[in-house]
Amino acid sequence: NAGVTQTPKFRILKIGQSMTLQCAQDMNHNYMYWYRQDPGMGLKLIYYSVGAGITDKGEVPNGYNVSRSTTEDFPLRLELAAPSQTSVYFCASRYDREYFEQYFGPGTRLTVT
Amino acid sequence: SQKIEQNSEALNIQEGKTATLTCNYTNYSPAYLQWYRQDPGRGPVFLLLIRENEKEKRKERLKVTFDTTLKQSLFHITASQPADSATYLCALDILTGGGNKLTFGTGTQLKVEL
Repeated sequence: NAGVTQTPKFRILKIGQSMTLQCAQDMNHNYMYWYRQDPGMGLKLIYYSVGAGITDKGEVPNGYNVSRSTTEDFPLRLELAAPSQTSVYFCASRYDREYFEQYFGPGTRLTVT
Repeated sequence: SQKIEQNSEALNIQEGKTATLTCNYTNYSPAYLQWYRQDPGRGPVFLLLIRENEKEKRKERLKVTFDTTLKQSLFHITASQPADSATYLCALDILTGGGNKLTFGTGTQLKVEL
């Protein structure tokens, strides 16, 4: 199993540009999550999904959109990038709604200038 | 307001000693509490999970305690090694209508010195 994969690893965007961060998992997990991590701060939940076709907002959803058309993929879309979106983004998945651990991807480091 | 606090200062200890990391929370009633390890430039990796009705959990050199009255979890690494140097995150597993969500603390950086 590859686990949770994310692409790209690094990206520099200009203010106002858009991009999609890709996330895929091959563990047949229903639950998937997007977090951002700023220096010295904890992981903040952006969006999550409990299954294909179902998504919901987390703690910091503004400026982002998600979709979940398959169990495996959970892309995160940034529209009109702003410097405040400079961060490291982690995707994670989980087997079930409680008790089980989360598996994280390697992260995407995004800089908006 | 809801808060999760971990030692904000880095913890430096000597090899062979026991490292103890603290996670305190307010205004949460988590069903479970999890601990993760994060190395620089990498995603967090799961270490241990403890339920609200368990007092203590062990895995090799790791031990976690969970006191729901004090609203505190302690994470111990015995016989610490330089390879244990990393940031350790605690996470509360909160029951919600839309599925459990993990809420993370800011982490404690541990450095084990020779």
